[in-house]
Formats: sequence, C-alpha cells, structure tokens
Amino acid sequence: GQQLNQSPQSMFIQEGEDVSMNCTSSSIFNTWLWYKQDPGEGPVLLIALYKAGELTSNGRLTAQFGITRKDSFLNISASIPSDVGIYFCAGRGSGGSNYKLTFGKGTLLTVNP
Amino acid sequence: DTEVTQTPKHLVMGMTNKKSLKCEQHMGHRAMYWYKQKAKKPPELMFVYSYEKLSINESVPSRFSPECPNSSLLNLHLHALQPEDSALYLCASSQETGGLSGYTFGSGTRLTVV
Repeated sequence: GQQLNQSPQSMFIQEGEDVSMNCTSSSIFNTWLWYKQDPGEGPVLLIALYKAGELTSNGRLTAQFGITRKDSFLNISASIPSDVGIYFCAGRGSGGSNYKLTFGKGTLLTVNP
Repeated sequence: DTEVTQTPKHLVMGMTNKKSLKCEQHMGHRAMYWYKQKAKKPPELMFVYSYEKLSINESVPSRFSPECPNSSLLNLHLHALQPEDSALYLCASSQETGGLSGYTFGSGTRLTVV
C-alpha cells in the first residue's frame, strides 16, 4: 500500500527560528494536506495543495506540492510558542483509493520561548 | 457553521457495556469518516460513508458498528470492547469522497475501556 515518510520525527527549536519538515511517498498523490494537532484535539487543516509545483502560504506557513507528486514540504517562519504540536502530512491518491488519506507519522514540534 | 462536533468528549466504559459516539456536521458535506488514533500515532481510517451509505469498512471488528441516520449525523456504536480499543476516535467530513477538498476533523472522543 501507499506509505508516507515524514521527517523529522521531532524538532526542538528556539522561538523565532524557522522550521522545515517534509514528506515523501512511494507513489503519486493528487492532493497533499498539512494538518496540525494539539493535545486532546482533532487535526486542523493548515494548507491544502492540489497541483504539482503549487506553492501556497497561510500566514507564516508555506507548503509546496513537489513536481514529481511524490513529496511535499512545510515551512514555518519565525516560530512562536503556540506553534507547538504535532504536524501531519497527508496525501490522497486517485482512482479507487481517492477516498483515503494516507498520513505521515507526524513531526512533534517543541518551541522554547 | 464550519465545524464537526463530536460527543461525548471523554468516555470510560467497561468491556460489557454498550455505548455510542456521536458526530454532527452542518456544512452540507456528503462524505463522513470515522478514524481511530492511538497516542503519538497518525489517525487510522475505520469507516467511510458517502451519501449516507457505508462505502468503506477498513476490516474493522464487528464490535464497532457505524450508523448514518441522515446526511448530518454519524454514530459509532460500541459493544464488548477490549482495553486495546482505548484511543481517540475522530470523526471527519468532506464535501464528497472524490472531491478536491480537505477533510474537516472533529475534536474527538477520548475512549477508555476498562
């Protein structure tokens, strides 16, 4: 089945630093989604990407859909303490599997004030 | 209304109990999902409903029984669960199963089976 490799697994950074995380897939996806999850809450959609090469920003967040359609990255600029949480990438394929999101294993971000 | 609402937020149940989780959305989404999430792991898909019909069951044990009474509601009936079923159960919805939209997740029900 489809698998996503998300890295890094965890990050410890100082407030104000920039952060980058990425996901790579063994197969092609038609959609890439980036979610953030706070403890005890459900994932919240940050950015959705629908076209290869697409670069989309949401405030201090920027994400790109890789040209090969097998990867995506998320950057966070000038991190703040409320950026703490687990970030998941998720991809959706095509055809018979288009209902299913495949999630990465998550990146746990800790921001030291 | 852009939310998916799940109740209860927390649930503790014994292995012989019967309980139900509820999920509601009023965004007009026609696809709804149940996910199970263990601590520090990604969500795992359990069931997909499309236009109120069960379209996907990801080989979930029969002690979990989903129900979609109407286009806004999704239930998950629980019976004879095991301690290893303790997890965060997430409901999600999207405009349609094949649509180009992100999934909106609820805040989840934290289930503990004792």
